[in-house]
Amino acid sequence: GDSVTQMEGPVTLSEEAFLTINCTYTATGYPSLFWYVQYPGEGLQLLLKATKADDKGSNKGFEATYRKETTSFHLEKGSVQVSDSAVYFCALRGQNFVFGPGTRLSVLP
Amino acid sequence: EAQVTQNPRYLITVTGKKLTVTCSQNMNHEYMSWYRQDPGLGLRQIYYSMNVEVTDKGDVPEGYKVSRKEKRNFPLILESPSPNQTSLYFCASSARPNGGYTFGSGTRLTVV
Repeated sequence: GDSVTQMEGPVTLSEEAFLTINCTYTATGYPSLFWYVQYPGEGLQLLLKATKADDKGSNKGFEATYRKETTSFHLEKGSVQVSDSAVYFCALRGQNFVFGPGTRLSVLP
Repeated sequence: EAQVTQNPRYLITVTGKKLTVTCSQNMNHEYMSWYRQDPGLGLRQIYYSMNVEVTDKGDVPEGYKVSRKEKRNFPLILESPSPNQTSLYFCASSARPNGGYTFGSGTRLTVV
């Protein structure tokens, strides 16, 4: 069946550092890919998405590119802020939604 | 405002006492789903619904029931709750086959 693998962390960075959270997937067909963010004490919010190969999703300085040849959808941000501290989930939607285990990011001032 | 509303936000109950967690969306979404989130286990799908009167089991359906009599509502029913159902529960809905989820704010359930 479909699956999503992502680095589990925790990831700890200093403010203004470069962020990469790796995500790879296994799926039949052409799933849509998503990144969700969960801030402390809150529900999950859609951060960005891509629906076909080579699409780049972007939002709030975060980016991810749908790479079909490497079955990857890595999340990047050039300069993280303390307010980016959260748990990040990679997900795909094929027949159904499948979520990765989440990566906790802590950004220190 | 487009949203998914869950109630209650917090609930403490005793083993065996039936409870219902309500979920309602105002976006006319066909697809709705319930998840539980536990430390170290990520998000696990309990049940989902493709449309009215169409429901199916997710990865961890044991001990739960759902119904979808109306498009906007998708309640989660625990007929006889047990302590291993203590968890954080999320309802989510989605419009299109490839659309993203809108999540509710969560229900933290404690069964003692």
